Amino acid sequence: EAQVTQNPRYLITVTGKKLTVTCSQNMNHEYMSWYRQDPGLGLRQIYYSMNVEVTDKGDVPEGYKVSRKEKRNFPLILESPSPNQTSLYFCASSPRTSGGSYNEQFFGPGTRLTVL
Amino acid sequence: EDQVTQSPEALRLQEGESSSLNCSYTVSGLRGLFWYRQDPGKGPEFLFTLYSAGEEKEKERLKATLTKKESFLHITAPKPEDSATYLCAVPAGEYGNKLVFGAGTILRVKS
Repeated sequence: EAQVTQNPRYLITVTGKKLTVTCSQNMNHEYMSWYRQDPGLGLRQIYYSMNVEVTDKGDVPEGYKVSRKEKRNFPLILESPSPNQTSLYFCASSPRTSGGSYNEQFFGPGTRLTVL
Repeated sequence: EDQVTQSPEALRLQEGESSSLNCSYTVSGLRGLFWYRQDPGKGPEFLFTLYSAGEEKEKERLKATLTKKESFLHITAPKPEDSATYLCAVPAGEYGNKLVFGAGTILRVKS
């Protein structure tokens, strides 16, 4: 089954304790991205990756790191989490487009993170 | 600055009562507009992509349309199972590699 998986699905942690949220896709997509979703603010893009070893900042990258060492995996790293990073996080992937058009993204099930 | 605004924030409809959701956007050079549906506790699910003004796409009771400044999601004779949050998004940034979402419209359809 074609899918994007995220782990863990739920996480409660404390301020300053480093954590990693994993994201994996089995569709051989080039493009992957991380979003956070907060009430009233919608989905905001944190980082995205056009392909292996190619990453770039989205609109809210502060406090986050990413890496893309393999095509299928795109982990999100919070080196020193703070309470304002409490949110619902989504990973997504999309195939590379041709001809200048853009393809839809496939989203994972989400990771609910609480930082105390 | 690339921006997407959706209205209304929330919409309550009776079953069978048709209505429209609005998505207005400000981007330098539209490279497509996406509509997604999101059920509580789940990731967004793709509905439509529109690329040029005048384009329309349909899926069951939903029809999406696009003008140069906004998009509409028309819901005809909705059913309770259409209740969800509807999100629109546009590619943004210098090369269109970012994706900017609106805050969404929460739709509730009562039987």
